[in-house]
Amino acid sequence: QVQLQESGPGLVKPSETLSLTCTVSGGSIRSYYWNWIRQPPGKGLEWIGYIYYSGSTKYNPSLKSRVTISVDTSKNQFSLKLSSVSAADTAVYYCARGGGMDVWGQGTTVTVSS
Amino acid sequence: QSVLTQPPSASGTPGQRVAISCSGSNSNIGSNTVHWYQQLPGTAPKLLIYTNNQRPSGVPDRFSGSKSGTSASLAISGLQSEDEANYYCAAWDDSLNGWVFGGGTKLTVL
Repeated sequence: QVQLQESGPGLVKPSETLSLTCTVSGGSIRSYYWNWIRQPPGKGLEWIGYIYYSGSTKYNPSLKSRVTISVDTSKNQFSLKLSSVSAADTAVYYCARGGGMDVWGQGTTVTVSS
Repeated sequence: QSVLTQPPSASGTPGQRVAISCSGSNSNIGSNTVHWYQQLPGTAPKLLIYTNNQRPSGVPDRFSGSKSGTSASLAISGLQSEDEANYYCAAWDDSLNGWVFGGGTKLTVL
């Protein structure tokens, strides 16, 4: 059974870069595509982008200028970098599998604060 | 403001049937399939319905989905207290070239 686990710093300073990694276990990353989604406190879900194992990506147009998603097939991991963060980027960040988003990580809380 | 529109809240009593709507446009629901997610308090979202009306293994048949034109609906019959959660719809948007979600509906079981 495939499981996803997000990891990374829980606190990021304004204007710096947020970096998170999602580790895929129980299955290969060499299938499906892999998403990042976030949820600000008390708010709804926002799709950030996805990556295929081949490395091709799609990003939310509203975040595209600040987002980079990469994949490391040797480690069965994919990563998110979000640059120039502000308080508005404070959220729970989730990784999820595929177009149906049928498997989700537990989420990791990232707070942007000095 | 979300691309897909859901009512912010819904409620029902145990045993009742409730429906949650999700309204979109030709570029998303009108031309692509809809998925529904259940988010229990303090947990990650869980896929509840995919491809408009398909239930993943383990999801009770009390949950059903439908789609017509640019709108979709999630129905829950035989409402139970454990169904109290936030529900989100999602669809691919051809204009935005990305996934869009509804704003979420908080279901309260009275």
